[in-house]
Amino acid sequence: NAGVTQTPKFQVLKTGQSMTLQCAQDMNHEYMSWYRQDPGMGLRLIHYSVGAGITDQGEVPNGYNVSRSTTEDFPLRLLSAAPSQTSVYFCASRSTGGREQYFGPGTRLTVT
Amino acid sequence: GENVEQHPSTLSVQEGDSAVIKCTYSDSASNYFPWYKQELGKRPQLIIDIRSNVGEKKDQRIAVTLNKTAKHFSLHITETQPEDSAVYFCAARMGGGSQGNLIFGKGTKLSVKP
Repeated sequence: NAGVTQTPKFQVLKTGQSMTLQCAQDMNHEYMSWYRQDPGMGLRLIHYSVGAGITDQGEVPNGYNVSRSTTEDFPLRLLSAAPSQTSVYFCASRSTGGREQYFGPGTRLTVT
Repeated sequence: GENVEQHPSTLSVQEGDSAVIKCTYSDSASNYFPWYKQELGKRPQLIIDIRSNVGEKKDQRIAVTLNKTAKHFSLHITETQPEDSAVYFCAARMGGGSQGNLIFGKGTKLSVKP
C-alpha cells in the first residue's frame, strides 16, 4: 500500500493564480481531510469528507474548494491564490470509526 | 468553536530527563485523544492515543493520562533521548461518536540535549 499520497511536493504560485493540490489514498478509507500547517499555529482543518459525494467545511475553509467524486481522491482547489495561503498542506485519511488518522507527506506552497 | 490548547510551546530537557506536555480541550463530548510526533520536514505520525473510558495508557517510555472532569490530558516521555527531539501535537476528536474531526493543539517543540 502506498498509503496517502500528495502531489506536488513543492509549488510556487503568483497571487491570483489557481491550482489543485492532489491527494489520494489506497486504503479504502471513507474519511479524508485537508489541513494547513503554519508556524506556531498547529494543524488547522480546511475541509473534510466522510465519503464520496459528501464534503463539509472545517475551521479555515475560505479560499479553498474541495470535491470527492471517488473514495480514493480528495483534491483541494485554490481558486485565486493569496500570500496568506502560503503554508504546508497535509491530506489525511482514516476509516469510519477508525482511530488512527494517516497523513500524506505534505505539499509546501508559496504564494508570491 | 471548539479548541485544544497545548503547553508549553517549547521544551528543552537534558538527555535522560522526563518531559511532560499538557493539553486542555473545550468539547466535553470528545472521546478520543491522540498524540502525534512530527520530525522536521516530515508528516505527523501517531505515537500514542487514549479513549475517554481510560485514565492512563503506557507504551514503553511514553504514557498519556486523561482527566475527563478537568478536560485535560498529558503526554509523559521518560528517559528522553536525542531522537525524541521533534514537534509533538495533541488532538481531540470533537462531537463524540467515531465520526468527529480531529482538532489539534498548536504543538510543542521538544529539544533533548545530549
